[in-house]
Amino acid sequence: GQQLNQSPQSMFIQEGEDVSMNCTSSSIFNTWLWYKQDPGEGPVLLIALYKAGELTSNGRLTAQFGITRKDSFLNISASIPSDVGIYFCAGLSGGTSYGKLTFGQGTILTVHP
Amino acid sequence: DVKVTQSSRYLVKRTGEKVFLECVQDMDHENMFWYRQDPGLGLRLIYFSYDVKMKEKGDIPEGYSVSREKKERFSLILESASTNQTSMYLCASSSRRGRQPQHFGDGTRLSIL
Repeated sequence: GQQLNQSPQSMFIQEGEDVSMNCTSSSIFNTWLWYKQDPGEGPVLLIALYKAGELTSNGRLTAQFGITRKDSFLNISASIPSDVGIYFCAGLSGGTSYGKLTFGQGTILTVHP
Repeated sequence: DVKVTQSSRYLVKRTGEKVFLECVQDMDHENMFWYRQDPGLGLRLIYFSYDVKMKEKGDIPEGYSVSREKKERFSLILESASTNQTSMYLCASSSRRGRQPQHFGDGTRLSIL
């Protein structure tokens, strides 16, 4: 099945640094989602975006729904050790998709204290 | 809060065994999904269901079947387990109303020996 192009694949940063990751697609989505997965756990929803151009924050996290509806980015400011994990983007189409998501391959984030 | 509960966090089975993975959600969601997650391959959809007794193949259904006899429960069945089915299995659910995100369980790490 289709996958979104998520980059970077991995990041190694120092505590306190800002982080940016993005997802692009050849298809249009009408909803973009960002999830975080802690080691050994299931993904947890961080941010949901429903409108092109929308910019949404959740604490130190900020995400944007691209104007073309084919991309989204996630920023994390002032990273801390508990930000470690895998971050996934996901796109949701409308119509009769039964809520199926298309996922990026994930960005593995490592934060050094 | 949405609660998706997977019956086992860790499971070890032998080649050729019939294996059942259970998933229960408490939010009256219509849609339920089974994924497997392997390093470097991201999340891959095995099967999904949009209503009781309804099921649809995902991207990698071979070697698996599913059962949805009650709205809150979605079972994944490995008919005859093989070592290449060793993986992390994730269940998710979502509402059919609007563009709702999927909510995930904590996963079952399955080892086939």
